Amino acid sequence: GQNIDQPTEMTATEGAIVQINCTYQTSGFNGLFWYQQHAGEAPTFLSYNVLDGLEEKGRFSSFLSRSKGYSYLLLKELQMKDSASYLCAVIDSNYQLIWGAGTKLIIKP
Amino acid sequence: IAGITQAPTSQILAAGRRMTLRCTQDMRHNAMYWYRQDLGLGLRLIHYSNTAGTTGKGEVPDGYSVSRANTDDFPLTLASAVPSQTSVYFCASSDTGTGQETQYFGPGTRLLVL
Repeated sequence: GQNIDQPTEMTATEGAIVQINCTYQTSGFNGLFWYQQHAGEAPTFLSYNVLDGLEEKGRFSSFLSRSKGYSYLLLKELQMKDSASYLCAVIDSNYQLIWGAGTKLIIKP
Repeated sequence: IAGITQAPTSQILAAGRRMTLRCTQDMRHNAMYWYRQDLGLGLRLIHYSNTAGTTGKGEVPDGYSVSRANTDDFPLTLASAVPSQTSVYFCASSDTGTGQETQYFGPGTRLLVL
C-alpha cells in the first residue's frame, strides 16, 4: 500500500526554527509537494521538490532525499501566523497525488 | 470572481436526501478535482476530470457522482446522503492535470449528514 507519515502535531516558539518531517512509501515517485492549511481554510501551495536537495523560498525551505523516501519542511524565524497544518503530498507512478494527514504546528509566544 | 468558488459554504442534510455541491473556477484550468478531508486522514480524492467532457474515479468514489459539461464547472452530487459522508469537501483545479503541477483549492463545503 501507499503511505505517507508525518507527525500529528508539533509545538514551537515564535522566532525559532522548526523542521517538519515527511516519510513516504509509494508506488513510484514523480515529485513531492508541501501545502499549508490554516484552520477552516483551503490548502495553499508552499513548495515542490522533484530532485534531491534543498529548495529555499524566503523563510521556508524544503528538502528531498528520494533514496531515503524522506522530505522535510524547514520554517525559520517563526511567526504566529505560521500556526497551521502542513500537508505533505507525493505524486506516485500513476501521477496521482497521495496526501499525508498533515502536521498541526502550534506556535507559542 | 477570482480562483475557485464553492457553494454552499456549509450544509446540514438529512440522511437519504440528494445534494449537489457546486464548484466553479475562472482560471481556465483543464483539470478539476473533488476531495474530502476528515480529521486524522489526508485529503482523499473522490473524482477528477482532466478536461471538459471527461471524468474519472478517485480513491473514494462510492456514493458520489460528478459531471463536467464545461471547463468552469464541476458539480459533485450525493445521490442519497449517509452519515459517513459528513466531511469537509474541497474542490481544486490545476492547469493541465499532469500531476506535477500546483493544485488550487476552493474554500470548502462543510457537510453534516444526520
